[in-house]
Amino acid sequence: DQQVKQNSPSLSVQEGRISILNCDYTNSMFDYFLWYKKYPAEGPTFLISISSIKDKNEDGRFTVFLNKSAKHLSLHIVPSQPGDSAVYFCAASARDSGAGSYQLTFGKGTKLSVIP
Amino acid sequence: NAGVMQNPRHLVRRRGQEARLRCSPMKGHSHVYWYRQLPEEGLKFLVYLQKENIIDESGMPKERFSAEFPKEGPSILRIQQVVRGDSAAYFCASSPWVDQGRDYGYTFGSGTRLTVV
Repeated sequence: DQQVKQNSPSLSVQEGRISILNCDYTNSMFDYFLWYKKYPAEGPTFLISISSIKDKNEDGRFTVFLNKSAKHLSLHIVPSQPGDSAVYFCAASARDSGAGSYQLTFGKGTKLSVIP
Repeated sequence: NAGVMQNPRHLVRRRGQEARLRCSPMKGHSHVYWYRQLPEEGLKFLVYLQKENIIDESGMPKERFSAEFPKEGPSILRIQQVVRGDSAAYFCASSPWVDQGRDYGYTFGSGTRLTVV
């Protein structure tokens, strides 16, 4: 039972263009969402997060949008750079689940390739 | 300030052997979380520990897996009698308080890649 889904295993984008990575979730208890970036043979690195009380959070070239009614979020990277090539994971947690608020539920990831 | 340190980076074990994975949290962090990434999958929560306490082991297989975080020294994830299905990347994360990871993103180590042959 996949509660966080990233339906695109891979995405190729030209350098300088916008990259849009999508994520859907099914658990309505999720109230906090994070994006991680992962290079091969390294651990995930935190990129950006968003609380369910917001619909947008921006940090430099990275913007995350949340559509609660659709249970959908997306990460926009603009402009895309070759160094952005990595696997991007969407993750979610549920604060009001009490003891499990620290648990992150991850999607399977989307491999982004930015072509110079 | 060193990040989360995991060792070994790569570990090869024969079926039936024991695997011991170590995680040293960031300085000042007393909360440790272990995750496992099977091939072609996302990371899945295994266990959450504080010093000398297992807080939540709901993600860990009931048999063969155990974890500890002693007062002194690194956190250890132990897998007894390994099977091929245990082959995965095991990641450790740490935080100074329990919700810090939610609010600011957990800091993950580089992982231990376990291969069972």
